[in-house]
Amino acid sequence: DTAVSQTPKYLVTQMGNDKSIKCEQNLGHDTMYWYKQDSKKFLKIMFSYNNKELIINETVPNRFSPKSPDKAHLNLHINSLELGDSAVYFCASSQVLLQDVGQFFGPGTRLTVL
Amino acid sequence: QQQVKQSPQSLIVQKGGISIINCAYENTAFDYFPWYQQFPGKGPALLIAIRPDVSEKKEGRFTISFNKSAKQFSLHIMDSQPGDSATYFCAASSNTGKLIFGQGTTLQVKP
Repeated sequence: DTAVSQTPKYLVTQMGNDKSIKCEQNLGHDTMYWYKQDSKKFLKIMFSYNNKELIINETVPNRFSPKSPDKAHLNLHINSLELGDSAVYFCASSQVLLQDVGQFFGPGTRLTVL
Repeated sequence: QQQVKQSPQSLIVQKGGISIINCAYENTAFDYFPWYQQFPGKGPALLIAIRPDVSEKKEGRFTISFNKSAKQFSLHIMDSQPGDSATYFCAASSNTGKLIFGQGTTLQVKP
């Protein structure tokens, strides 16, 4: 069984479009995250939700809007896509916020903006 | 202050050799230091982690060495195998729960 799943795995779209990436975890974790990995493989946190409440909101353009309908899901909606948004986006989850139990990452969504 | 500096950027090791990756941090509020392993096309996976109250932690062939006074920590992979070829990330976090990642090291283990 997949612990953290993301859809779609690949997303190719034109500049200016709006797109969403979905994430689900079946680990029963309280906290979920979105990370962006750029072309140089640098990983940076974007958002974190704990029990559907936004906990971490990094300096991310407000074109990016996370939504957590329940504890097991965290979706990422991106408006007016730009070339610089091309990256791999990873969803992750952890059991309890602030605890060193490790974060479990999904397989990633490769977003290409043309 | 929030950065974690990782070196080298890439590393080539012969099978059976020792791979060493180093990280340094500035923020003394960091109290959790994990290492993640990422294979191409996959998400990062937790490999091993340490808290600053111990100087070393070993799990199988993987060892973290931690130097609190120098604000440095390193990953040693003993008896490196071709299957260890991957990108390795060090990271650090404080009680905010936010993981700050290093820049990554691409390890290639030659047969």
